[in-house]
Amino acid sequence: AQTVTQSQPEMSVQEAETVTLSCTYDTSESNYYLFWYKQPPSRQMILVIRQEAYKQQNATENRFSVNFQKAAKSFSLKISDSQLGDTAMYFCAFISAGTALIFGKGTTLSVSS
Amino acid sequence: KAGVTQTPRYLIKTRGQQVTLSCSPISGHRSVSWYQQTPGQGLQFLFEYFSETQRNKGNFPGRFSGRQFSNSRSEMNVSTLELGDSALYLCASSLHNSYEQYFGPGTRLTVT
Repeated sequence: AQTVTQSQPEMSVQEAETVTLSCTYDTSESNYYLFWYKQPPSRQMILVIRQEAYKQQNATENRFSVNFQKAAKSFSLKISDSQLGDTAMYFCAFISAGTALIFGKGTTLSVSS
Repeated sequence: KAGVTQTPRYLIKTRGQQVTLSCSPISGHRSVSWYQQTPGQGLQFLFEYFSETQRNKGNFPGRFSGRQFSNSRSEMNVSTLELGDSALYLCASSLHNSYEQYFGPGTRLTVT
């Protein structure tokens, strides 16, 4: 069975700094997708970034980028130039054919001024 | 395009009652998935519907059921509510050929 592990329950960072959230996963599938979702205190889950397993190039969306290490089954999220609005819980998620989204337990990120 | 909408946003029910939650997907999205979010268990998959058929089901008791209508709107029903059913219920929609899921704001269910 597939599993997703986020080992950092909480992290804090100052505005304008860079922070990296960790995620590891376990699967025997060769084709799958990985996502980072953000859930602010308002509770609306927002898709931040996606990565297809067959693509070697790391995905980037503005200030958000990932470090995808397929062999190590690692998928970390880097947030550059952190902003107060980045304060949220971040979930790493995995999906492959025939499965539903499998989420990690989440990392609560606090950005302070 | 309007996002995923869920109604009601908040609900308080008594143990033993039943409840129905509604989800309207993004226009053009035919797949709808439901998740339960609790502080202890995190996000857990309930079921997925596509073209009015349940395509996948999570590990929840039979008290949890759902359906999808021809316009892709979906409902989930929980019968004989238990205190442990208190949770945020999230609905997500996706295109039929995409793994990307877009979430609604959720329905906060409190069982007393």
